[in-house]
Amino acid sequence: AQSVSQHNHHVILSEAASLELGCNYSYGGTVNLFWYVQYPGQHLQLLLKYFSGDPLVKGIKGFEAEFIKSKFSFNLRKPSVQWSDTAEYFCAVNALYGNNRLAFGKGNQVVVIP
Amino acid sequence: KAGVTQTPRYLIKTRGQQVTLSCSPISGHRSVSWYQQTPGQGLQFLFEYFSETQRNKGNFPGRFSGRQFSNSRSEMNVSTLELGDSALYLCASSPLVGLGANNKNEKLFFGSGTQLSVL
Repeated sequence: AQSVSQHNHHVILSEAASLELGCNYSYGGTVNLFWYVQYPGQHLQLLLKYFSGDPLVKGIKGFEAEFIKSKFSFNLRKPSVQWSDTAEYFCAVNALYGNNRLAFGKGNQVVVIP
Repeated sequence: KAGVTQTPRYLIKTRGQQVTLSCSPISGHRSVSWYQQTPGQGLQFLFEYFSETQRNKGNFPGRFSGRQFSNSRSEMNVSTLELGDSALYLCASSPLVGLGANNKNEKLFFGSGTQLSVL
């Protein structure tokens, strides 16, 4: 079974600070990797995804994530956060050629102080 | 295109009752998945339906069931409610079953959820 670990559940930082959220998964095969974001009062939406190719993936709103296969990691980064980045961020994993069953991490609650 | 629509938005029930939640996927999407979101456990997969058939099931007791209709709309039912069933239930739709390498543009589209409180 796939499992996903996200550390530092609560993150508080100031505007313009850099953000990095860790995501590690346990699955021996090839995976599809996702970061979803849930802004206050809104539904979950896709931030970025990795299926294959360049392990450095660019997403919306200046976010990027790097897939490191040897470390089973897919960390999310943003060089300079804004107040509007306050949200909960979820990492998710899905087995290649599997199904729509995503295994989610427990999320990172990020608060950006203006 | 309208997004994924879930009804009702909020629901309050008491222990022992049963509840039915509804999800209308994005037009043209044939796959509907259900997830339970709680502060302690995060998002956990319940089940997935495609063409009126359950394709995948998570590790939830039999009290949790679902179905999908010919128009791809889906319902989720929870019987004999327990306090621990209080959660946000999310529905997600996608055009296809599977997120294989050839489906690079596929992703899940989530609804706003039904917040269930069991008293």
